Amino acid sequence: DIVMTQSPDSLAVSLGERATINCKSSQSVLYSSVNKNYLTWYQQKPGQPPKLLIYWASVRDSGVPERFSGSGSGTDFTLTISNLQAEDVAVYYCQQHFTTLRTFGQGTKVEIK
Amino acid sequence: QVPLVESGGGVVQPGRSLRLSCAASGFIFTNYGLHWVRQAPGKGLEWVAVISHDGSRTYYADSVKGRFTISRDNSKDTLFLEMNSLRIADTAVYYCVKDLDCGSTSCNSPYWGQGTRVTVSS
Repeated sequence: DIVMTQSPDSLAVSLGERATINCKSSQSVLYSSVNKNYLTWYQQKPGQPPKLLIYWASVRDSGVPERFSGSGSGTDFTLTISNLQAEDVAVYYCQQHFTTLRTFGQGTKVEIK
Repeated sequence: QVPLVESGGGVVQPGRSLRLSCAASGFIFTNYGLHWVRQAPGKGLEWVAVISHDGSRTYYADSVKGRFTISRDNSKDTLFLEMNSLRIADTAVYYCVKDLDCGSTSCNSPYWGQGTRVTVSS
């Protein structure tokens, strides 16, 4: 199984500043035949199911604010929240869909400093 | 119309069984594989199982292999999770998930149900 490891486990960022979350996979999730990384980012707020933010490592889902961006390839990925807003307080998860056995990172909790 | 609605959760003793259901609507059920994902209280997301669109292939996380069975009834647009030999560690909210639907240039959002809570306790 592919193991997904996020860092840090939590971070506190001032309003308007940048939050950076890292995700590392134990093997590459780059589907070379189509040149796409099968890596998604989710946001989860308390009492709600996760909401998709990013797919293919860098493509924002419909309606997701531009302050959310994803980058990386192969085994190393980053979710960046620019200009952090109060409504961005949540737990963020990466997930690989390279294999049928989907796996998630352990989550990163983002708070306001 | 909510695309996925889970039911069947509750409180059960260790060693007992429970069957979860997920009623689907608003999409062509038979076209898609479906997953169960769970979340223990205060913990992260754990992928549990997946079933192919026609039910012919199933895969499980090691933590539930041999105890849980995923199945589907395509005539009723319903997904199931049969959980046997339940353990305290199986306590979680269980979500039914329709995966990303990707073409060559973009993907449609996945669907997540609201979840059903399973508590395993003596």
